[in-house]
Amino acid sequence: AQKITQTQPGMFVQEKEAVTLDCTYDTSDPSYGLFWYKQPSSGEMIFLIYQGSYDQQNATEGRYSLNFQKARKSANLVISASQLGDSAMYFCAMRGAGSYQLTFGKGTKLSVIP
Amino acid sequence: GAGVSQTPSNKVTEKGKYVELRCDPISGHTALYWYRQSLGQGPEFLIYFQGTGAADDSGLPNDRFFAVRPEGSVSTLKIQRTERGDSAVYLCASSPGISIHNEQFFGPGTRLTVL
Repeated sequence: AQKITQTQPGMFVQEKEAVTLDCTYDTSDPSYGLFWYKQPSSGEMIFLIYQGSYDQQNATEGRYSLNFQKARKSANLVISASQLGDSAMYFCAMRGAGSYQLTFGKGTKLSVIP
Repeated sequence: GAGVSQTPSNKVTEKGKYVELRCDPISGHTALYWYRQSLGQGPEFLIYFQGTGAADDSGLPNDRFFAVRPEGSVSTLKIQRTERGDSAVYLCASSPGISIHNEQFFGPGTRLTVL
């Protein structure tokens, strides 16, 4: 079984600043994948970034990067140069090699302040 | 190309009624998933299809819930004798394969309200 913990119900960040959204996970699978999704108020889940458990380097996608610390079982999302359009719910999720489903955390609501 | 589509976008029904929720995945995606998202929570897994067969239905809460994917593309989630606790957003997702790195592409969801 997998478990995702997001301890920040809400975060505020000034426009153009960087922000880190925390995610810790628990799994007994030796191989797994970690995902971050964005959910704007419209409701659709938008994939942002993926990190494999055996990847040697931290994943990056444009302004998004994943700070992966395997020993600490953390996979924090870093958003650089925040924009007003980044205001949304952010969900961390994982999938173990032995399953096909994603297990999600409760999410963090990010608000970008102009 | 077209993303995952779901119909209806909103469904209001009365307690005890039967509802069907439809999902049209991205063309060519063999894997299809249903999730349920309650207010203030992350999505929770319901069922996974690989092709036409339900490969994992361990997330279905009880036997009132059933899903089909008869031709390996469109899927229908069916809920019998709806209860107020079934009110949630039902999300469908598809992916091109089942490799662990394959992202799941989500549809806009169906908001179900049971009165």
